[in-house]
Amino acid sequence: GAGVSQSPSNKVTEKGKDVELRCDPISGHTALYWYRQSLGQGLEFLIYFQGNSAPDKSGLPSDRFSAERTGGSVSTLTIQRTQQEDSAVYLCASSWGLAETQYFGPGTRLLVL
Amino acid sequence: GNSVTQMEGPVTLSEEAFLTINCTYTATGYPSLFWYVQYPGEGLQLLLKATKADDKGSNKGFEATYRKETTSFHLEKGSVQVSDSAVYFCALQGGSEKLVFGKGTKLTVNP
Repeated sequence: GAGVSQSPSNKVTEKGKDVELRCDPISGHTALYWYRQSLGQGLEFLIYFQGNSAPDKSGLPSDRFSAERTGGSVSTLTIQRTQQEDSAVYLCASSWGLAETQYFGPGTRLLVL
Repeated sequence: GNSVTQMEGPVTLSEEAFLTINCTYTATGYPSLFWYVQYPGEGLQLLLKATKADDKGSNKGFEATYRKETTSFHLEKGSVQVSDSAVYFCALQGGSEKLVFGKGTKLTVNP
């Protein structure tokens, strides 16, 4: 497809479990971003990648959150020991380069029970 | 730091009514400004953007003008349709690469 894709679309997990969320950016886009959308906090920036490096991790809410990107393409956001407050929609976006227009995927809806 | 303040709503209008959703921002330098729309059950879609002062972004009948003197980027549409029902987010991209979003405004258009 031509757009950003994310998987899974929905994830239900138990408190304390680890989860992995995947993002496939638009082909050729060098920059990739993760955001979180929750009722209480609105849309929050988590982390971005330029190529495979992550210059700005300032938005990651705790050390339970990590992300990587390989081959300048697919990215994985990992949440360890999930907590109920991690329940949110996790959005991925990509762009041709930094400071270019960001295009969003459909999101992964995470529910931690 | 950079921030965006937008009219929170919810906003309910009748079809063919005029729409304004206010958005103001605080930023250092010269940010780019965006409106994104989220239709029910879907992801964020770019609606329009403006990258410098006095630029007007437009798409699907929606318009917004980048006003540096009032630090505003208000969204307008002359005649809304039921299909415009969605949540609208104002956002800026400033010195860093991340987008900073407003809290969103839910619009409901009734036939």
